[in-house]
Amino acid sequence: SAVISQKPSRDICQRGTSLTIQCQVDSQVTMMFWYRQQPGQSLTLIATANQGSEATYESGFVIDKFPISRPNLTFSTLTVSNMSPEDSSIYLCSVDGTGREQYFGPGTRLTVT
Amino acid sequence: SQQGEEDPQALSIQEGENATMNCSYKTSINNLQWYRQNSGRGLVHLILIRSNEREKHSGRLRVTLDTSKKSSSLLITASRAADTASYFCATDNSGAQKLVFGQGTRLTINP
Repeated sequence: SAVISQKPSRDICQRGTSLTIQCQVDSQVTMMFWYRQQPGQSLTLIATANQGSEATYESGFVIDKFPISRPNLTFSTLTVSNMSPEDSSIYLCSVDGTGREQYFGPGTRLTVT
Repeated sequence: SQQGEEDPQALSIQEGENATMNCSYKTSINNLQWYRQNSGRGLVHLILIRSNEREKHSGRLRVTLDTSKKSSSLLITASRAADTASYFCATDNSGAQKLVFGQGTRLTINP
């Protein structure tokens, strides 16, 4: 299994600002995923990030709002841009395992005021 | 997205009892997975069952899958206080390894 860390673990931000969330994996992985979990809700996939290519966004999520970088096989960032209170959520990154399971980071709890 | 439904949404039982959670989904799948989430933290993978499997065990966990009914169940036997968490099913229904999560069941084990 992979060990994943995320920074920051939580943050409180002003509306209109941006926050970049980092995801670090202890081994090289092909695919990394970014999810959003709104308060009391389930997880929704934002995008899939492969090293060396543009991220693939799910319906309802756009690159201008959630730009993603994937500079190498162990690291990715997600930026939440021009934040509003509706962006208050837990943001989680995950990586694929050998058997199609996913391993998740501890999450970043974002509050936008 | 075609998120599945889980029931019950919340379940409270006494320590030592068994807990059963159900998951229904809408499309054909490659596999179905169950995850646990403690207090809004990261998810922990529990078990994966492939579309051609009907039942799978892992320790105190038992998962069944009925593809004709598009449903799955997770049974936790001899529950412990540490099992208190939210449990999510997730379906892998494409070649792109994208998971679609159910709404989750919030399980509380009372000592």
